[in-house]
Amino acid sequence: LAKTTQPISMDSYEGQEVNITCSHNNIATNDYITWYQQFPSQGPRFIIQGYKTKVTNEVASLFIPADRKSSTLSLPRVSLSDTAVYYCLVGDSSSGGYQKVTFGTGTKLQVIP
Amino acid sequence: GAVVSQHPSRVICKSGTSVKIECRSLDFQATTMFWYRQFPKKSLMLMATSNEGSKATYEQGVEKDKFLINHASLTLSTLTVTSAHPEDSSFYICSARSRDRGGTNEKLFFGSGTQLSVL
Repeated sequence: LAKTTQPISMDSYEGQEVNITCSHNNIATNDYITWYQQFPSQGPRFIIQGYKTKVTNEVASLFIPADRKSSTLSLPRVSLSDTAVYYCLVGDSSSGGYQKVTFGTGTKLQVIP
Repeated sequence: GAVVSQHPSRVICKSGTSVKIECRSLDFQATTMFWYRQFPKKSLMLMATSNEGSKATYEQGVEKDKFLINHASLTLSTLTVTSAHPEDSSFYICSARSRDRGGTNEKLFFGSGTQLSVL
């Protein structure tokens, strides 16, 4: 299982774009990169998933360089409600291939008014 | 996305009693579910992998006789904390893997968690 490394915490002002980078140097060929958001006393919530290059959905963008050894979650114009812990997970997401996933430390994002 | 329902959301019990937590996949079948434990301000720690129709696989250091897991159907896994003690107080979360509608890749979907407080 690929181990992930993220910054422990980040602060940002409301309205700014926030980029959170995750390192996964030993990512395997079949591994996908998935980001989750967790609020206190709640289960993690899926944000975005990608394999390479760039993926964008209605809430975030995910940038993955060609070597796939890192990924960056980009949150546009954050609001106070985006204050949460963000986890980067790496695992084989092909059908039937998703084995157990272990969580890293996550990044605690604090949005400041 | 797929929905995983976890119940109860909060339970308070006396020391020595057993507590059962249910995890249901509402709109998909989950042959595998995962159980995690989370302490305040800490990351999720995988406890065990629950496999439908077979024994659960426990992570190192997790007592299988203390944390009983049953996955009797494709939509339900249960975690029973037996003879609970104050040190078992924690936030417990389940997850299941599923493909989103129209998608080809699997994702993990999580329950809302259960806060267990043992007095």
